[in-house]
Amino acid sequence: DGGITQSPKYLFRKEGQNVTLSCEQNLNHDAMYWYRQDPGQGLRLIYYSQIVNDFQKGDIAEGYSVSREKKESFPLTVTSAQKNPTAFYLCASSIEGQGGNQPQHFGDGTRLSIL
Amino acid sequence: AQSVTQLGSHVSVSEGALVLLRCNYSSSVPPYLFWYVQYPNQGLQLLLKYTTGATLVKGINGFEAEFKKSETSFHLTKPSAHMSDAAEYFCAVSGGQGAQKLVFGQGTRLTINP
Repeated sequence: DGGITQSPKYLFRKEGQNVTLSCEQNLNHDAMYWYRQDPGQGLRLIYYSQIVNDFQKGDIAEGYSVSREKKESFPLTVTSAQKNPTAFYLCASSIEGQGGNQPQHFGDGTRLSIL
Repeated sequence: AQSVTQLGSHVSVSEGALVLLRCNYSSSVPPYLFWYVQYPNQGLQLLLKYTTGATLVKGINGFEAEFKKSETSFHLTKPSAHMSDAAEYFCAVSGGQGAQKLVFGQGTRLTINP
């Protein structure tokens, strides 16, 4: 079945450590997204990519980095500069639509906590 | 800039009762509107979407929503609640500049009482 796979499901970070969250999709979607979810705040966009080798900052990009070397993969690195990384991270993908009329499909998330 | 306001962070209804989750949006261009559902520790699943055409949109699990331009609303309804409907629901809008970007509301947690 086609879908989006996020790994790991749970991740723990030590002080001063960078960690990388994996996101892989086999839906043949061009666009991919990373969101951060905190209780009571909905989803906030971290980064998005509409095509391989290109990506744009979202609303809360500080302390995060991404790469898009393959269409299927869009890993997110939470760097030590992100001082409050504890959150639920969601990856999504979509086909390119006209003016945003295509829905996004989501993975099951990675929960990141600080040790 | 676009924005979404979901009225009520928590809604509680009895099993079999009407479910009404409210969503109002702000957009300077014709919006595309979405409702998603999230079960604990899972990702979001699309319930329904409005892009163009008929303003009453039917989705999965018996949910529907009506786009009302004059009221800038896109409320989600279900005639009869089931215990399995207990989840968090998110309304989202896209369109215009940065069109592929979705802007989400803060979510409404729906509780079903037996």
